Amino acid sequence: KAGVTQTPRYLIKTRGQQVTLSCSPISGHRSVSWYQQTPGQGLQFLFEYFSETQRNKGNFPGRFSGRQFSNSRSEMNVSTLELGDSALYLCASSLEAAGGAYEQYFGPGTRLTVT
Amino acid sequence: GENVEQHPSTLSVQEGDSAVIKCTYSDSASNYFPWYKQELGKRPQLIIDIRSNVGEKKDQRIAVTLNKTAKHFSLHITETQPEDSAVYFCAASGGANNLFFGTGTRLTVIP
Repeated sequence: KAGVTQTPRYLIKTRGQQVTLSCSPISGHRSVSWYQQTPGQGLQFLFEYFSETQRNKGNFPGRFSGRQFSNSRSEMNVSTLELGDSALYLCASSLEAAGGAYEQYFGPGTRLTVT
Repeated sequence: GENVEQHPSTLSVQEGDSAVIKCTYSDSASNYFPWYKQELGKRPQLIIDIRSNVGEKKDQRIAVTLNKTAKHFSLHITETQPEDSAVYFCAASGGANNLFFGTGTRLTVIP
């Protein structure tokens, strides 16, 4: 099976702009989680989507949002970009049958640089 | 929310020696504990995980132990090889797909 894919891989934006990142999970996986990775804060959970519904949300401002489509592909959006949003954004997909925590497999990430 | 602490932040071992990385968690409701390996410029890769109903799990040279009472879990790598050099992250979850990660351990295996 193909792994988790993310597009684009690299992105440079200016403060105040918005950005949309895309994630395609492993075929058959219905849960997609998003994480932000920075040298200072490490890996932090943003949100999780399952069956097109946001099921869990981390402690990030409302500028960070996401959605999931019927084919399980997910997008995350960051509006009014700030310099501190520069990070590697990772998505992870999980095969889930009956709730609980399952193995999460990460995509290669999107490296976002805000100038 | 959950708080995961990881030690040490850096670890250097001679090739063939063992490496141990330790993590503690704060939320007694956490019941899933994965470990990820991240090489420079690459995605985190799941290497082993353990659930709260198990005390130890092994996969070839890698093992993880869990002490629920003390709320800590550890990664053990035996017979280390240069290709084991990477950053290792522990994580904890309380039954949902939202992982709380430790701050990472940079492991260097010296040939």
